[in-house]
Amino acid sequence: GAVVSQHPSWVICKSGTSVKIECRSLDFQATTMFWYRQFPKQSLMLMATSNEGSKATYEQGVEKDKFLINHASLTLSTLTVTSAHPEDSSFYICSASSGIGTGELFFGEGSRLTVL
Amino acid sequence: QQQVKQSPQSLIVQKGGISIINCAYENTAFDYFPWYQQFPGKGPALLIAIRPDVSEKKEGRFTISFNKSAKQFSLHIMDSQPGDSATYFCAATLPRGTYKYIFGTGTRLKVLA
Repeated sequence: GAVVSQHPSWVICKSGTSVKIECRSLDFQATTMFWYRQFPKQSLMLMATSNEGSKATYEQGVEKDKFLINHASLTLSTLTVTSAHPEDSSFYICSASSGIGTGELFFGEGSRLTVL
Repeated sequence: QQQVKQSPQSLIVQKGGISIINCAYENTAFDYFPWYQQFPGKGPALLIAIRPDVSEKKEGRFTISFNKSAKQFSLHIMDSQPGDSATYFCAATLPRGTYKYIFGTGTRLKVLA
């Protein structure tokens, strides 16, 4: 199956700093990538949808100035958590679609962010 | 209309038993129903998926049963093993081209050795 790689898998940062998380499709071109947030023992909450070369579409309630998403190429999307605060601590997961075929999404391994 | 309701929230099964997880949806426009398995600290991995034109799909020990009229689908894990202990999410998505998944709330499965 297709592989989606996320980096870093975990990160600890100080409050007020910014953190960037990368999501790469390793063996296919991802026309669309999705970013999710998952709290412990809860489901995945869709944060935003990004299409290569265009602005991300954010879900209701998600601050676009806080969570900056860039999808500069067909294999890379980045999520930057700006001015992070402890309440931003969470598990962030990306997924990618090739835009063809079954409708299957391929998920990354997730990135655990801890803001001190 | 966009919700997918999943039950039970947690499930404990003896090794060798059958695990059954149920999901229900409202939006009849959904046309792809995957199940994902997630281990702690990992991203979800696709287990099995079905489209509404079939009533059942089987892959190894995993079977999806789909009831279009009732707008329900379920995951059956036969001969459950301790290695199956994980959280399972059902999902639904709108017609091809959107890939915007609506996830269920998840079921934490524990298979006792």
